[in-house]
Amino acid sequence: DADVTQTPRNRITKTGKRIMLECSQTKGHDRMYWYRQDPGLGLRLIYYSFDVKDINKGEISDGYSVSRQAQAKFSLSLESAIPNQTALYFCATARAGQLKETQYFGPGTRLLVL
Amino acid sequence: AQKVTQAQTEISVVEKEDVTLDCVYETRDTTYYLFWYKQPPSGELVFLIRRNSFDEQNEISGRYSWNFQKSTSSFNFTITASQVVDSAVYFCALRPSLRGGSEKLVFGKGTKLTVNP
Repeated sequence: DADVTQTPRNRITKTGKRIMLECSQTKGHDRMYWYRQDPGLGLRLIYYSFDVKDINKGEISDGYSVSRQAQAKFSLSLESAIPNQTALYFCATARAGQLKETQYFGPGTRLLVL
Repeated sequence: AQKVTQAQTEISVVEKEDVTLDCVYETRDTTYYLFWYKQPPSGELVFLIRRNSFDEQNEISGRYSWNFQKSTSSFNFTITASQVVDSAVYFCALRPSLRGGSEKLVFGKGTKLTVNP
């Protein structure tokens, strides 16, 4: 079984709808991240969490919110989806405490906002 | 500023050719880490290698090798005897030390490699 899972894997929604993307991990990592990938732009950080009570905005948090329900679960919500939020969304996890720790990514969620 | 530049947007080679993917980074930190990830057509991101700023030894793993040169702020990736399965988008990423920061990865825009049979 995959260590980092994301649901759904694909989602089509309409402008104005609220949707939630979920991420679960079995790696026992404290740190969790949400990134979005747009063609030709690489990945950009939306939100990150160092533990259940520590949630922080990344570089492009407007229009998004997150919830860290447990150490293993980190959800990303689009409060009112808009077409320019169409992207590939990745969740990532990392062990706490050391700069060298590698971030491991989930399989991604492809979101299309019509 | 922290920045990663992958100047090659797309590269196309024929199977068995060697290919080098360039990565140039900018950071004022003396301690940082560099990473390469592979994104095959299926979309997932696969970790390939991590390198710290104090270790300039080149590394080889099978057909893959990495050349880290601090003097030119480069961390290039070479695939020897490329195969069709190497076709993917490859991302170089930087993690600066930024104490108290997000510990996020700063990604380049990626290089799409196509290996033709």
